[in-house]
Amino acid sequence: DAKTTQPPSMDCAEGRAANLPCNHSTISGNEYVYWYRQIHSQGPQYIIHGLKNNETNEMASLIITEDRKSSTLILPHATLRDTAVYYCIVRLNYGGSQGNLIFGKGTKLSVKP
Amino acid sequence: EAGVTQFPSHSVIEKGQTVTLRCDPISGHDNLYWYRRVMGKEIKFLLHFVKESKQDESGMPNNRFLAERTGGTYSTLKVQPAELEDSGVYFCASSQPGLGLKNEQFFGPGTRLTVL
Repeated sequence: DAKTTQPPSMDCAEGRAANLPCNHSTISGNEYVYWYRQIHSQGPQYIIHGLKNNETNEMASLIITEDRKSSTLILPHATLRDTAVYYCIVRLNYGGSQGNLIFGKGTKLSVKP
Repeated sequence: EAGVTQFPSHSVIEKGQTVTLRCDPISGHDNLYWYRRVMGKEIKFLLHFVKESKQDESGMPNNRFLAERTGGTYSTLKVQPAELEDSGVYFCASSQPGLGLKNEQFFGPGTRLTVL
């Protein structure tokens, strides 16, 4: 079972920041937080991941609380193309670990004009 | 560079028939995964290949499902005989260790299977 809980849905106005929360209170010390998204009719797509420090890439920012029990994915300027289901996943990440992803229900983000 | 491709994109078959799904991973990726989403449920892991070997097949639902990856390149997932509850979208993903430590899995577009 997924070790994360997310709100089932959220709305965001186009051009505004979308902040997607995730709770992972049972995360282990060596588990990372990963975010994927699935745009309608496509396969899931990697967005970002982190261990304990905040991370930023060209797609998004990831803010992880100090106790690591929750995190927030931030899309700084949401566009209509960001409408998708967003999945927060915790998993191990070390050189030889190439194990499977455990998907929960995710958050359906609707970006509105 | 070509991404993960899957064939066919859609398949409609009758209960009791056989269907074979194909996945071509990104060239050079040793890890290949199969997942599926059945109606109204979450995406679930089926199995994981490392090259031609099955690393983890704990998610395979029953012995009507057979996955192969001969030669460690493309993979096939055969369902024989298909049942109504097998309807859903089957995703394939691939990854390669050591690429920036993302352990990112690249997903294909999926095959939508409908069993009537």
